[in-house]
Amino acid sequence: AQKVTQAQTEISVVEKEDVTLDCVYETRDTTYYLFWYKQPPSGELVFLIRRNSFDEQNEISGRYSWNFQKSTSSFNFTITASQVVDSAVYFCALRINAGGTSYGKLTFGQGTILTVHP
Amino acid sequence: ETGVTQTPRHLVMGMTNKKSLKCEQHLGHNAMYWYKQSAKKPLELMFVYNFKEQTENNSVPSRFSPECPNSSHLFLHLHTLQPEDSALYLCASSQVVQAYEQYFGPGTRLTVT
Repeated sequence: AQKVTQAQTEISVVEKEDVTLDCVYETRDTTYYLFWYKQPPSGELVFLIRRNSFDEQNEISGRYSWNFQKSTSSFNFTITASQVVDSAVYFCALRINAGGTSYGKLTFGQGTILTVHP
Repeated sequence: ETGVTQTPRHLVMGMTNKKSLKCEQHLGHNAMYWYKQSAKKPLELMFVYNFKEQTENNSVPSRFSPECPNSSHLFLHLHTLQPEDSALYLCASSQVVQAYEQYFGPGTRLTVT
């Protein structure tokens, strides 16, 4: 069975601070995909990034960066110079590369509520 | 309209009512999903449809009945719900079930009284 743990329930920072959201996953599969989604107050989940298990290169996209470490089964997300608009719930998710109906199934963490104060 | 839309955005219903949630995707996708998001719990997958065929029912109680008349529309029919069914119900779509990314709608906030 797959499991995703986001130990930080809520994080509060002041604008321009850097913040890291932690994600730890569990799976016995060697091929899998990791995701981060953002859920703003409007409700819809917005896709941020996908990583497959064979690609451990860190990625940077503007103020966002992701650190994937298979050795510790972690896929952490850092926002540099946070802004008020970054306030949202952030979800980490895992999908294994299984056949049949499991292809579409994402296992989500419980989410981290990030509040950025002006 | 673009992306994934859901109606209504908010719904309050009694336990004896029957109502339906609607989802429509304008992305040309062939797979659609229903998720339940309860307070302080991870998103739970409820149903998966691929090319209008249900491919997954994640042990969802029969008081939730999905319907997928075509690849663009997905319904969730509700009847005899319980207060613990109050949650945000999210619809998502993807090119096919094997596709990497799922695109989510804004959800329907359901309150069962």
